[in-house]
Amino acid sequence: AQRVTQPEKLLSVFKGAPVELKCNYSYSGSPELFWYVQYSRQRLQLLLRHISRESIKGFTADLNKGETSFHLKKPFAQEEDSAMYYCALTGNAGNMLTFGGGTRLMVKP
Amino acid sequence: SAVISQKPSRDICQRGTSLTIQCQVDSQVTMMFWYRQQPGQSLTLIATANQGSEATYESGFVIDKFPISRPNLTFSTLTVSNMSPEDSSIYLCSVTPSYTFGSGTRLTVV
Repeated sequence: AQRVTQPEKLLSVFKGAPVELKCNYSYSGSPELFWYVQYSRQRLQLLLRHISRESIKGFTADLNKGETSFHLKKPFAQEEDSAMYYCALTGNAGNMLTFGGGTRLMVKP
Repeated sequence: SAVISQKPSRDICQRGTSLTIQCQVDSQVTMMFWYRQQPGQSLTLIATANQGSEATYESGFVIDKFPISRPNLTFSTLTVSNMSPEDSSIYLCSVTPSYTFGSGTRLTVV
């Protein structure tokens, strides 16, 4: 079975501070990991996926297979980063996603 | 990435009635997925819909309650049948390989 855990329901930081949203997963094979962001009253948006190795809006995430983690990081948080963030996993290409419980990021001025 | 148009965006329905949600994709996709996001919760997969075959439902979801159609490679519908207040949620569709989502349907059952 595949499982995604986001241990923090809420993360509050000040503007300009570094941010790390934690994501741990459980999967016996080679997973594909994703981060989604949901701004207030907007649709769920794909932020990044580990296979693309892109940096979107200053966010990066590295897949650590040894620690089974895919933490999302940004060196300097902005107020507009305040949103709900979901980590997700798929076990096979073209397969369904399993989501973590989500972390609400609040960036204070 | 595929662009998904989902409608309605929201609805308020009476208990015991049914609502059909539509998702239209701007390109042909093999797999479409329907998810539910209950208030304050994360997303849970309802079913996988492939064109030309019966939808595959996850544990806890049944076809009689959530019938799905997938008539072609760009369109799918999800019906929420015989609704109760517990069905009040956001319903979303998603496709692969882009893993993008529709804008969601916010359903309130009164």
